Amino acid sequence: DQQVKQNSPSLSVQEGRISILNCDYTNSMFDYFLWYKKYPAEGPTFLISISSIKDKNEDGRFTVFLNKSAKHLSLHIVPSQPGDSAVYFCAASERNRDDKIIFGKGTRLHILP
Amino acid sequence: NAGVTQTPKFRILKIGQSMTLQCTQDMNHNYMYWYRQDPGMGLKLIYYSVGAGITDKGEVPNGYNVSRSTTEDFPLRLELAAPSQTSVYFCASSSWTAGYTDTQYFGPGTRLTVL
Repeated sequence: DQQVKQNSPSLSVQEGRISILNCDYTNSMFDYFLWYKKYPAEGPTFLISISSIKDKNEDGRFTVFLNKSAKHLSLHIVPSQPGDSAVYFCAASERNRDDKIIFGKGTRLHILP
Repeated sequence: NAGVTQTPKFRILKIGQSMTLQCTQDMNHNYMYWYRQDPGMGLKLIYYSVGAGITDKGEVPNGYNVSRSTTEDFPLRLELAAPSQTSVYFCASSSWTAGYTDTQYFGPGTRLTVL
């Protein structure tokens, strides 16, 4: 049973527009959420995270929103740039239990010129 | 800093062969992890280690073994390779700060095919 779900396998967005990547989770005990970015033939790299005590975290062009009641988080990229084309993994953990990270299947983002 | 390095980058094995995937980190991280990523899937944790001499199973440990004799190295051993072990393998490391593990840093991966 998938505890972290990314229901959109791919997403295409025009350069300069906003990219919104969505993620749902089922385990209400998750208290820490992360987004990783992955280019082909490379390992994932950490992008941004959010603790369950917050509902928003911003880092430059990247903002993560957390809606605990809906068990939903989203990553907003504004404005989208060609270098943002990559696979984005949503991930979650129970930091107060064992810190193991559970990953979603990923969403491939294509930024169109 | 080289970060997390993995060797080899690619490998083709025959069914029943064995091999060791190497992973080394130079960040003095105490936590290290092995993941596998199958096509169209997320990363699944195989084994992890919280320090030299201590290892534990993750979500999908069957068919694999690990050891952690030093802080830097965390090799993954495949015994009796099977086609189901065809995957991309990622090693990662993280430090431990204020009661929690910090961000995980990943290596570039090893693409393994078992025929």
